[in-house]
Amino acid sequence: DIVMTQSPVSLPVTPGEPASISCRSSQSLLHSNGNNYLDWYLQKPGQSPQLLISLASSRASGVPDRFSGSGSGTDFTLTISRVEAEDIGIYYCMQALQTPLTFGGGTKVEIK
Amino acid sequence: QVQLVQSAAEVKKPGSSVKVSCKASGGTLKSYSFSWVRQAPGQGLEWMGRIIPITATTNYAQMFQGRVTMTADKSTNTVYVELFSLTSQDTAMYFCASAALQDGNTYDSWGQGTLVTVSS
Repeated sequence: DIVMTQSPVSLPVTPGEPASISCRSSQSLLHSNGNNYLDWYLQKPGQSPQLLISLASSRASGVPDRFSGSGSGTDFTLTISRVEAEDIGIYYCMQALQTPLTFGGGTKVEIK
Repeated sequence: QVQLVQSAAEVKKPGSSVKVSCKASGGTLKSYSFSWVRQAPGQGLEWMGRIIPITATTNYAQMFQGRVTMTADKSTNTVYVELFSLTSQDTAMYFCASAALQDGNTYDSWGQGTLVTVSS
């Protein structure tokens, strides 16, 4: 199974400031078709997870452009250019390359 | 993008089984795959398995092999997960999620979750 490791576990942020979350996989998520099968999800308090980013860097429909994803192979980053209060919650990376699908442990983003 | 509505919360005894449903609207099952993901209280997300209704293909996480069954009813546009031999460790919120077949394992629609509590 592919192991996903996120850091940090907790991320206090100041509104208006940038924030970034790291995700590392135990195996390369780069497919021969050139896509990196790494997705990012946000679970807001009391809600179901929602898709933010697919294929490492493609924003899902309706996701604000302050969210961006980058990386390739085994190292990935989610960046929020200017954090807003509504961005609080737990962020998960997930490898979508092969079953069993596996999630990172999550990063809890909270306002300072 | 389909909308997913799950069945209501359940309370079960240890050793029993539970069946959770997930009804899709705004699309037909044949165009999607469905995964089930669970979340124990205060914990992270855990993938249980998936079903591709058009081929009736299922893939289960090893820890659930032999104890889980995922099915689809095309006539009602509903997918199900059934978990057997419940223990307190199965107390969790259970989510269904859908992915368009052309999008692989990227899940852009999620159900609201079904809380399953296992208690004597």
